[in-house]
Amino acid sequence: QITLKESDPALVEPTQTLTLTCTFSGFSLTTSGLGVGWIRQPPGKALEWLAVIYWNDDKGHSPSLKNRLSITKGTSKNQVVLTLTNMDPVDTATYYCARTQRDFFYMDVWGRGTTVTVS
Amino acid sequence: QSVLTQPPSVSGAAGQRVTISCTGSSSNIGAGYYVHWYQHLPGTVPKLLVYNNDKRPPGVPDRFSASKSGTSASLAITGLQAEDEADYYCQSYDTTLGANVVFGGGTKLTVL
Repeated sequence: QITLKESDPALVEPTQTLTLTCTFSGFSLTTSGLGVGWIRQPPGKALEWLAVIYWNDDKGHSPSLKNRLSITKGTSKNQVVLTLTNMDPVDTATYYCARTQRDFFYMDVWGRGTTVTVS
Repeated sequence: QSVLTQPPSVSGAAGQRVTISCTGSSSNIGAGYYVHWYQHLPGTVPKLLVYNNDKRPPGVPDRFSASKSGTSASLAITGLQAEDEADYYCQSYDTTLGANVVFGGGTKLTVL
């Protein structure tokens, strides 16, 4: 069974840095064609793609957040870490991590999401 | 402003058919990138509904179908059921400002 789980909910002050960890099981990030990405959804708004990291360490970032975003593989081989600097109240959202299929760029398995509040 | 444009809302009576459009451009759907669709039921996790333009993952009823043509795509739902009431998102890949994944703005489906 494939599962992904985001780190616990967070309350972050403006200008601080957010660090989120996605811990996954049931697949390996060494498997060709696979990646783990992050997507967020502000309250009442649409899904917004943030970033992805692939099995071969290739990465992608949202152009609008590229200067603030960092995505890395964790020290544990089943973790991916997202860092977002200079947090603002508009970054308040539910943050999801999801397994991503590199060849076609779709997210086939999602975590339950974690709430991040900036205040 | 989303790169992919969807109607904010659609509605239909139980048992009827509805379609949701997703309009892109030559830098995403029109460039040949696949379109995928997600269903987001209230209080749940987004679920992959259709991938690679028209493929359904295991367990997705054949009441859901999708197609792509030119710079647009559409999702059709037949035999509407109350449980279909959700937000639906299209997603593709875009090469503007650096290649990246893009979502539509989402469409709220109301089953009357």
